[in-house]
Amino acid sequence: AQSVTQLDSHVSVSEGTPVLLRCNYSSSYSPSLFWYVQHPNKGLQLLLKYTSAATLVKGINGFEAEFKKSETSFHLTKPSAHMSDAAEYFCALGGAQKLVFGQGTRLTINP
Amino acid sequence: EAQVTQNPRYLITVTGKKLTVTCSQNMNHEYMSWYRQDPGLGLRQIYYSMNVEVTDKGDVPEGYKVSRKEKRNFPLILESPSPNQTSLYFCASSLGTGAYEQYFGPGTRLTVT
Repeated sequence: AQSVTQLDSHVSVSEGTPVLLRCNYSSSYSPSLFWYVQHPNKGLQLLLKYTSAATLVKGINGFEAEFKKSETSFHLTKPSAHMSDAAEYFCALGGAQKLVFGQGTRLTINP
Repeated sequence: EAQVTQNPRYLITVTGKKLTVTCSQNMNHEYMSWYRQDPGLGLRQIYYSMNVEVTDKGDVPEGYKVSRKEKRNFPLILESPSPNQTSLYFCASSLGTGAYEQYFGPGTRLTVT
């Protein structure tokens, strides 16, 4: 069975400092992995995806994620947080037919 | 503009009163799905469709029905809603098989009293 675990339900950082949102996955075959962001009262927007090409994936708004097969991880990072990054972030595994989501991480940015 | 639309965005109803949430996409996508989002649980798939007249259950299908009579539309039907179906619902669509990402609608917040 496939599963996704987001290791932190809430992360709080100061504006201008780095962001790290952690995601571990379990899959019996080579996974496709996604990070989505959900701003308040909005739908989910795709940040980036990994589909077995480069292990370091760059996304929108300065976010990137690194696929590490040995650690079954796909952590999301950003060098410098901005107030507009405050949102809920979801890591997901799967593809067109089905996505399996983690529980979500709420990111708070302190001024 | 390429998008997935859902209606209504907000709905308050009573137990047992049938309702339909509509979903439409204008991207000619083959795949469509319904998810529900609950605090601490992330999103869970209710049903999905691979094409017109082809649907299948997701992880939490109990109490829901779907249909896919046209490629662009994928309505979610609650024949007899119950309070445990109070949730935030998202429709999504995707281009095709494999590692294609899903595009999400804005969500429908449903409250069943």
